[in-house]
Amino acid sequence: DQQVKQNSPSLSVQEGRISILNCDYTNSMFDYFLWYKKYPAEGPTFLISISSIKDKNEDGRFTVFLNKSAKHLSLHIVPSQPGDSAVYFCAGSYNFNKFYFGSGTKLNVKP
Amino acid sequence: EAQVTQNPRYLITVTGKKLTVTCSQNMNHEYMSWYRQDPGLGLRQIYYSMNVEVTDKGDVPEGYKVSRKEKRNFPLILESPSPNQTSLYFCASSSTRRTANEKLFFGSGTQLSVL
Repeated sequence: DQQVKQNSPSLSVQEGRISILNCDYTNSMFDYFLWYKKYPAEGPTFLISISSIKDKNEDGRFTVFLNKSAKHLSLHIVPSQPGDSAVYFCAGSYNFNKFYFGSGTKLNVKP
Repeated sequence: EAQVTQNPRYLITVTGKKLTVTCSQNMNHEYMSWYRQDPGLGLRQIYYSMNVEVTDKGDVPEGYKVSRKEKRNFPLILESPSPNQTSLYFCASSSTRRTANEKLFFGSGTQLSVL
């Protein structure tokens, strides 16, 4: 049973517009969440994280929002760039030892 | 350069032939872990280690072994590989200092095919 779900396998966005990637989780014990980006033939690279005591974290073009009551988090990319085209994974963690990843969303940013 | 190094990048083997995938990190990280990536399932944790000689099962440990004799190395061992272990494997490491921006550093992956 997947504890983290990304229900949109793919997303297509025009360059310059906002990309919103969504993630839902079931485990209320998760205290830390992370987003990773993955290009083909490479390992995942860290994008941004958020602690469960916060509801928003921002880093440049990337903002993560956490809604604990809905067990939902989202990643906003503004403005989207063609180089952002990749697969994005969200992950939840409890005590930073076990990590649960979603199945990924493939983002395509069209020039 | 800070990195997690996995070897080999590609491996084709046959059922039952023992193999080891190596993982090494140069960041003095206490925490290391192994994942497998399968289509539609994302990354699933196989084993993790909080420090030397301390290992624990992740979500899908069956058919795998690990060891952590040194801080920098965390090999993944398949004693008797089977075709359902054909997958893309990633090693990751992290500090356990629990700062605000803690994150996992991933290796480049090992594509394993078991025939």
